[in-house]
Amino acid sequence: DAGVTQSPTHLIKTRGQQVTLRCSPKSGHDTVSWYQQALGQGPQFIFQYYEEEERQRGNFPDRFSGHQFPNYSSELNVNALLLGDSALYLCASSPGTGSNQPQHFGDGTRLSIL
Amino acid sequence: RKEVEQDPGPFNVPEGATVAFNCTYSNSASQSFFWYRQDCRKEPKLLMSVYSSGNEDGRFTAQLNRASQYISLLIRDSKLSDSATYLCVVNIANAGKSTFGDGTTLTVKP
Repeated sequence: DAGVTQSPTHLIKTRGQQVTLRCSPKSGHDTVSWYQQALGQGPQFIFQYYEEEERQRGNFPDRFSGHQFPNYSSELNVNALLLGDSALYLCASSPGTGSNQPQHFGDGTRLSIL
Repeated sequence: RKEVEQDPGPFNVPEGATVAFNCTYSNSASQSFFWYRQDCRKEPKLLMSVYSSGNEDGRFTAQLNRASQYISLLIRDSKLSDSATYLCVVNIANAGKSTFGDGTTLTVKP
């Protein structure tokens, strides 16, 4: 039973570049959420995808966009990278969008902006 | 004010000690509650859900007080392997997201 998988594990980019992060949800899960975790802070919600649509969005600018594919996998795209985008990006999946479901997390992608 | 607040610690305790973490949340529409554990440079992992009646899983006990909008986690007989950051998590009804506290760091020493 595969858990949530993310790629790549680490990534180094420079300011102004664009990045795409990928996530495959846990088997049986159809909802994918993305979080940004800065050092010393808890994960901050970016957005959630269900049925290939963005269902909820946190307080992040339009530079952050995403996509969900028919097989439930998802991508997070960030344009015009800023130094402040350096963080651990976590993907989480759950079965459905119900609020009583805990999130299951992948190992994350550590993004460094130079 | 943050939606979910935790005492950041750090809590430094000897093996065998009992330690308690507290968490408060501000949104009265909060519906589901969880504690996650996060090891250094790793992903958060679900430790336990928190139910209104309180619940226990081995050495871990979670409590919820909806009237005070307060959640707690009690760890008995601390082990070295309990050293981690403990994240309080709140799901709001129909919000489709989990809101995390910034975590409480625990170090258990021999």
